[in-house]
Amino acid sequence: DVKVTQSSRYLVKRTGEKVFLECVQDMDHENMFWYRQDPGLGLRLIYFSYDVKMKEKGDIPEGYSVSREKKERFSLILESASTNQTSMYLCASSLWGPENPYEQYFGPGTRLTVT
Amino acid sequence: KQEVTQIPAALSVPEGENLVLNCSFTDSAIYNLQWFRQDPGKGLTSLLLIQSSQREQTSGRLNASLDKSSGRSTLYIAASQPGDSATYLCAVRRTRDRNNDMRFGAGTRLTVKP
Repeated sequence: DVKVTQSSRYLVKRTGEKVFLECVQDMDHENMFWYRQDPGLGLRLIYFSYDVKMKEKGDIPEGYSVSREKKERFSLILESASTNQTSMYLCASSLWGPENPYEQYFGPGTRLTVT
Repeated sequence: KQEVTQIPAALSVPEGENLVLNCSFTDSAIYNLQWFRQDPGKGLTSLLLIQSSQREQTSGRLNASLDKSSGRSTLYIAASQPGDSATYLCAVRRTRDRNNDMRFGAGTRLTVKP
């Protein structure tokens, strides 16, 4: 089974702090994604990566950056946390290839509260 | 821009009922559609994935259908159980290009009452 793990289930940070959210997958997937999920807004894509050191902006990249130094690990960075970044953060991964349907597998989520 | 809508936002049914959840999308040019389940405070679990060339997929008591031309998919749950209570989300992918992402609906929150 594919396993996607996230470094923390719950996190409380103060405004202005630098925050790192880590995601690791163990199935050698090329693609990795960071979403945030808010009530009434659904899942919105922040960034995704389809290879080591490659990244693409999603719908709401402002205030975030990402790092993918190794294939299995994709980090989301909040440079200076703000209260409007309080949310549930979900990481996902998928394979890529001409025969592959891109089925996405999700981690358990990190509930971040910024005070 | 692809818009994905799920109606109703919430649904409550008695145990044992068969039910249908709806997903509609505005751009019929999709590569695939995926249904997920999400329990409160948890991540998403993949239930079924339908390729654009397929009409339906089945897994146990779940059956998902796809009508690309009308921009609709349905998730049919047979003989519902309290354990089926969760939020169900659908997501569509436009192309198979590696730099293409998925668009999600806001979900339908299902409650199955014993």
